[in-house]
Amino acid sequence: GENVEQHPSTLSVQEGDSAVIKCTYSDSASNYFPWYKQELGKGPQLIIDIRSNVGEKKDQRIAVTLNKTAKHFSLHITETQPEDSAVYFCAALKDTDKLIFGTGTRLQVFP
Amino acid sequence: NAGVTQTPKFRILKIGQSMTLQCTQDMNHNYMYWYRQDPGMGLKLIYYSVGAGITDKGEVPNGYNVSRSTTEDFPLRLELAAPSQTSVYFCASNPSSGGYTFGSGTRLTVV
Repeated sequence: GENVEQHPSTLSVQEGDSAVIKCTYSDSASNYFPWYKQELGKGPQLIIDIRSNVGEKKDQRIAVTLNKTAKHFSLHITETQPEDSAVYFCAALKDTDKLIFGTGTRLQVFP
Repeated sequence: NAGVTQTPKFRILKIGQSMTLQCTQDMNHNYMYWYRQDPGMGLKLIYYSVGAGITDKGEVPNGYNVSRSTTEDFPLRLELAAPSQTSVYFCASNPSSGGYTFGSGTRLTVV
């Protein structure tokens, strides 16, 4: 079955700096890769996703890149703000199968 | 449009008691899921359903049961609560393949 590894587990950055979170997956048939943001006491919220026929996708300050050959994908947050502080989860899915989540990255943005 | 609604938000159970965690979605999604999230950990799939009348086990189904009599509802049943079931439980849904919509969670403590 699919296995998703996520690094780092914690990440601290200064406000205005960039943050990068990386994930690798094991099943080459996986074709959908979402990223979720979870704020304290809340459920995960989808922030960006990418499908396997695309190499990069941007939405304002966040972007996701996908390298199918290496089976890894990354979340990039530029110009970080204190409100970006949260736990971020990557996930991988194959067709209509089940999402498999990474173990999460706790991002802290210091003013 | 309420999305995915979970009740209750908090609950304390004694060992051996039973309870049902409720989950309702109003988006007419076929797929529904139950995850548990232990402190500082990622999301582990308990059970899922691909449509009314169909349920299947996830990674950690022991100690739980589900039913899916309607498209909207996917309750999770704990029959004999154990301290190991202390966790935050999230319900999610999606239309087929793609981004999941999560509820806000139920925080369960078993003492």
